Amino acid sequence: GAVVSQHPSWVICKSGTSVKIECRSLDFQATTMFWYRQFPKQSLMLMATSNEGSKATYEQGVEKDKFLINHASLTLSTLTVTSAHPEDSSFYICSAKKGTNQETQYFGPGTRLLVL
Amino acid sequence: GENVEQHPSTLSVQEGDSAVIKCTYSDSASNYFPWYKQELGKGPQLIIDIRSNVGEKKDQRIAVTLNKTAKHFSLHITETQPEDSAVYFCAASKHNFNKFYFGSGTKLNVKP
Repeated sequence: GAVVSQHPSWVICKSGTSVKIECRSLDFQATTMFWYRQFPKQSLMLMATSNEGSKATYEQGVEKDKFLINHASLTLSTLTVTSAHPEDSSFYICSAKKGTNQETQYFGPGTRLLVL
Repeated sequence: GENVEQHPSTLSVQEGDSAVIKCTYSDSASNYFPWYKQELGKGPQLIIDIRSNVGEKKDQRIAVTLNKTAKHFSLHITETQPEDSAVYFCAASKHNFNKFYFGSGTKLNVKP
């Protein structure tokens, strides 16, 4: 199989606080993980690509100091939204690839963030 | 860069009918084309994919066709069922490149 989990599934926080979202590959090792953001009724927007043990590569327009990504192991990547504001409210989805020569991305169930 | 366009944005069919969703891409170097199904409030689930060395692939009621010359690929769902109702996304990528270029999505509604 290829199961990817995310935690938490939803989170509500106050403006100015930081929120950490975890993405885990449960039954495979993921050399590469991806973080997406999705607004209602829109497509997925790639935020960054993270490779285990190295710094994440951010897409143009994504603030790296705002969205901190850590890929500390082959099964875990984290996204931290720092000093969250209401405009950061969104659906955040991670995905993972099984190997460097594998194209397929397996997606997690998503995390809904609401910043008050 | 790659540009993927997807049509239609919404599709309503009667249960048992077929549904076809079409995507075009701009970069002739793209060679991997997955399709994802996303239900409300959930992450996308891979339903079928095709690589550029193949023109068609089928998995039960789902099939994907690829026309490399015209740079378009299509998802075909036969004998649709209400549980097929969801948003479907196509994507394109190049071998050894990480990035997926997604289409804008098609909301499929299967009426019982």
